[in-house]
Amino acid sequence: DIQMSQSPSSLSASVGDRVTITCRASQRIDSYLNWYQQKSGKAPKFLIFAASNLQNGVPSRFSGSGSGTDFTLTITSLQPEDFATYYCQQSYSFPYTFGQGTKVEIK
Amino acid sequence: EVQLVQSGAEVKKPGESLKISCKGSGYSFTTYWIGWVRQMPGKGLEWMGIIYPGDSDIRYSPSFQGQVTMSADKSITTAYLQWSSLKASDTAMYYCARHGGYYEIDYWGQGTLVTVSS
Repeated sequence: DIQMSQSPSSLSASVGDRVTITCRASQRIDSYLNWYQQKSGKAPKFLIFAASNLQNGVPSRFSGSGSGTDFTLTITSLQPEDFATYYCQQSYSFPYTFGQGTKVEIK
Repeated sequence: EVQLVQSGAEVKKPGESLKISCKGSGYSFTTYWIGWVRQMPGKGLEWMGIIYPGDSDIRYSPSFQGQVTMSADKSITTAYLQWSSLKASDTAMYYCARHGGYYEIDYWGQGTLVTVSS
């Protein structure tokens, strides 16, 4: 299985801050990397596919980058509704594993 | 509008069997992989496996192979996840998940909470 590792596991940030979350794969996955947002008690929400492509309706303050083994999710100007847990997932090979999640909390 | 609507919460005893469902609508059910994701209480997301309703091809995660059975009935556009003998460690929220063209999960069900307790 491909292992996905996110860092940090949690972070505290203020409204308006720029936030970067890193996701690393245990082997090369080209650009088969997706990002999801999950708020407490809710189903995850799809944000980004193929490393850098925003799902329709996702605000442009979200962006993704990377290829191979190293990827980032960036939120420019954090908004109150962005406080949540973020997961990366590889869809390069079965099983399509998730990272352990990064919880973004209010400072 | 694409929708995945899951069956309701379940409370079961260890050793009992269970089958939960996920009804897809608003898209061609037979041409997208649909799968299941487990989230144990307070934990992260775990990808369990996927099924292609068009031909019932199934890919299980090794972690779940032999522990659950996935199936789909394309005549009623519904996917299923079943257990033959539940354990307390099966207590979790289970999400059904449509996989898009890049195998990203582009639509999620609302989740089915399964509680296994004696």
